[in-house]
Amino acid sequence: DIQMTQSPSSLSASVGDRVTITCRASQSISSYLNWYHQKPGKAPKLLIYAASGLQSGVPSRFSGSGSGTDFTLTISSLQPEDFATYYCQQSYGIPYTFGQGTKLEIK
Amino acid sequence: EVQLVESGGGLVQPGGSLRLSCAASGFTVSSTYMNWVRQAPGKGLEWVSVIYSGGNTLYAGSVKGRFTISRDDSKNTLNLQMNSLRTEDTAVYYCARAPGASKWFDPWGQGTLVTVSS
Repeated sequence: DIQMTQSPSSLSASVGDRVTITCRASQSISSYLNWYHQKPGKAPKLLIYAASGLQSGVPSRFSGSGSGTDFTLTISSLQPEDFATYYCQQSYGIPYTFGQGTKLEIK
Repeated sequence: EVQLVESGGGLVQPGGSLRLSCAASGFTVSSTYMNWVRQAPGKGLEWVSVIYSGGNTLYAGSVKGRFTISRDDSKNTLNLQMNSLRTEDTAVYYCARAPGASKWFDPWGQGTLVTVSS
């Protein structure tokens, strides 16, 4: 199975900050990397698909980059509604696997 | 509007069975890839199974041989039959669409909680 490792596991930041979350795959996954966020008690929501594609309806402050084994999710200016847990997911091969999550908290 | 609504969760004893359903609206389940993903309490996300538009199915190793994914085209519903349940199967189970032939999940249902305990 392909292992996905996110860093950091948790992050404290303020409204207006620029934030970057990293995801590393245990082998090359080309651009088959997706990002979701999840708020407590809610289902995950797709933010970025295929490493850099912005899902319809998602604000442009979210962006993704990377290919191969190293990927990043950047939030250019944090808004109050962005405080959540973020997950990366590889869709290169079955079983699809997720990172362990990055909890983004208000400083 | 594309929407998924899960049902069927509950409390079951170890070794027991449960059947989850996911009712879809706004699209046809048979025309796309449909998945189950689960999340144990306080833990991360774990992909469980997929059924392709052609009917082929795949499973995570942790559930292979115990869980069966299927769909009811007449009801536009996705199902997950779970047998020989273990305490480690306790989780919120989400159904999720992979639009077209994509491999990302959107949207997700609200989830249904399965608790395996004696």
